[in-house]
Amino acid sequence: EAGVTQFPSHSVIEKGQTVTLRCDPISGHDNLYWYRRVMGKEIKFLLHFVKESKQDESGMPNNRFLAERTGGTYSTLKVQPAELEDSGVYFCASSPLAGGSEQYFGPGTRLTVT
Amino acid sequence: AQSVTQPDIHITVSEGASLELRCNYSYGATPYLFWYVQSPGQGLQLLLKYFSGDTLVQGIKGFEAEFKRSQSSFNLRKPSVHWSDAAEYFCAVGAPGGYNKLIFGAGTRLAVHP
Repeated sequence: EAGVTQFPSHSVIEKGQTVTLRCDPISGHDNLYWYRRVMGKEIKFLLHFVKESKQDESGMPNNRFLAERTGGTYSTLKVQPAELEDSGVYFCASSPLAGGSEQYFGPGTRLTVT
Repeated sequence: AQSVTQPDIHITVSEGASLELRCNYSYGATPYLFWYVQSPGQGLQLLLKYFSGDTLVQGIKGFEAEFKRSQSSFNLRKPSVHWSDAAEYFCAVGAPGGYNKLIFGAGTRLAVHP
């Protein structure tokens, strides 16, 4: 069974540009989560999809971040326009809809904004 | 406020020595508790989890953790560390039920000397 995959693994962009990160969850996992780790600090929650619906987006830092999950499969996280403080590692995780399960994490996308 | 504290940012141990990584949490009720490990270039891998029941939990790779309600702690232990255990370790908590976001500590980076 394939794990959670994320693309790209690294992205370097200039301030003001747009970047789109992609996450493919484990097949059949209806829960999809985005997290971010900024420079050695704790991993922080961004948002949670159940299928294609946003269940909790309380961690989204501002309206420059837009997450979508069309069709309840893969998800994208767009940052537009990117700022220096957006640099960090963006993790995606998925879990099945049945409660009590762990979240399975992808390898992360390292975003560097210069 | 809900939070997780990992007091040790870096720990260095000798191969074969015992290990204990500390984790304290602040949460309204007894949460679900997790330890994840991230090796270089890899995603977060679940070591073990506590939902309820026996407070001593066994995980993968010879790790165990003990939940102490009175101390709001969930410390990770291993009796004999291997060089391959060098990685970053994250303690996390989540709401009972398992659907919701995880709250992470800042991580403890473990170095192992031969």
